[in-house]
Amino acid sequence: AQKVTQAQTEISVVEKEDVTLDCVYETRDTTYYLFWYKQPPSGELVFLIRRNSFDEQNEISGRYSWNFQKSTSSFNFTITASQVVDSAVYFCALNYRKTSYDKVIFGPGTSLSVIP
Amino acid sequence: DTAVSQTPKYLVTQMGNDKSIKCEQNLGHDTMYWYKQDSKKFLKIMFSYNNKELIINETVPNRFSPKSPDKAHLNLHINSLELGDSAVYFCASSSRTGGYGYTFGSGTRLTVV
Repeated sequence: AQKVTQAQTEISVVEKEDVTLDCVYETRDTTYYLFWYKQPPSGELVFLIRRNSFDEQNEISGRYSWNFQKSTSSFNFTITASQVVDSAVYFCALNYRKTSYDKVIFGPGTSLSVIP
Repeated sequence: DTAVSQTPKYLVTQMGNDKSIKCEQNLGHDTMYWYKQDSKKFLKIMFSYNNKELIINETVPNRFSPKSPDKAHLNLHINSLELGDSAVYFCASSSRTGGYGYTFGSGTRLTVV
């Protein structure tokens, strides 16, 4: 069965601290895609990153970095020097092939609060 | 220009009413989706259309009926609204069937009273 687990329901950090959001996925597919989305308090869902199953290179974008490890089925997200604007719910998602179409399932989300 | 636009943004209605939510995308994407986000923020897919053809129809009550007049539009009609239908409904689109990431609309907060 396909599944995405985000074990951390809520995290609070003080501004400028680093924080890592965990994501563990389950799939039997060899080809799949992983994503992170951000949902700030205003409610919209914002795409952050996409990673395919054949690309285990870590990625850095400004203060954001992602660590993809197939050996542990994890796709963790680190925010360096957190800021109040990072306060949001973050969703990890898995895209897999189901017969003739793709399907995306989302993890339950991690609510991050950055305290000034 | 908004890439994926949903209307209305807020919808408050009484139990038993019928309501529709509209969604339009101007990205030229082939695939559109409806997701429901419950009060615990859990996102669950309801429907997906690829070039006007229904490809995903999750276990959703028959009171929910999607309609896609063309590949740029995907509307959601809900009959006989119930209290449990209260949620935020998100429309999304993607250039392929999901592997390239979604662009989401801003959501419609439906409150049934």
